[in-house]
Amino acid sequence: KAGVTQTPRYLIKTRGQQVTLSCSPISGHRSVSWYQQTPGQGLQFLFEYFSETQRNKGNFPGRFSGRQFSNSRSEMNVSTLELGDSALYLCASSPTGVSTGELFFGEGSRLTVL
Amino acid sequence: GIQVEQSPPDLILQEGANSTLRCNFSDSVNNLQWFHQNPWGQLINLFYIPSGTKQNGRLSATTVATERYSLLYISSSQTTDSGVYFCAVEGGQGNTPLVFGKGTRLSVIA
Repeated sequence: KAGVTQTPRYLIKTRGQQVTLSCSPISGHRSVSWYQQTPGQGLQFLFEYFSETQRNKGNFPGRFSGRQFSNSRSEMNVSTLELGDSALYLCASSPTGVSTGELFFGEGSRLTVL
Repeated sequence: GIQVEQSPPDLILQEGANSTLRCNFSDSVNNLQWFHQNPWGQLINLFYIPSGTKQNGRLSATTVATERYSLLYISSSQTTDSGVYFCAVEGGQGNTPLVFGKGTRLSVIA
């Protein structure tokens, strides 16, 4: 069974640009969560999608958005990039619909903003 | 929201030594997981353990939900055990995201 797949793995952008990251969950998993990891703030929750609906949202500005498609694949978008958006963005999938359940993470997308 | 504290923040071990990592949480939990973050950044599931005890090879974990803590035991440590170990919890209300601790950075030296 394939794991969680995130693309791209590495990317470099400049301030003011936007970026889209993609996450394909484990087959059969309907919940996808996104986390941002930085040295200063640690792992912070961005949002969770279940069956194409945003179920939870973390404390991030509106520049951070996401969506989930009918095949459970998810994308997140960051507009008007700032230097502080440089981070490892991790996607996790979960099989359960009621609560978070056991999460399985992808390898992450490492974003550098110059 | 729920608070998660991990200790110690850093740990250096000689290969072959045993260690205990601790995770304290501030409220009842539905979900507790231990992860190992490898040098490439991926979080690897170690245990899904909201209560009770589990073992997987040289690793074992115990969660005492009534006392709001969990322990991760690593026996006969190897250099490949190096990395950061995270505890993450979901609060008792359910349907809330996992909250991560700040992690324990383990270095195993040969």
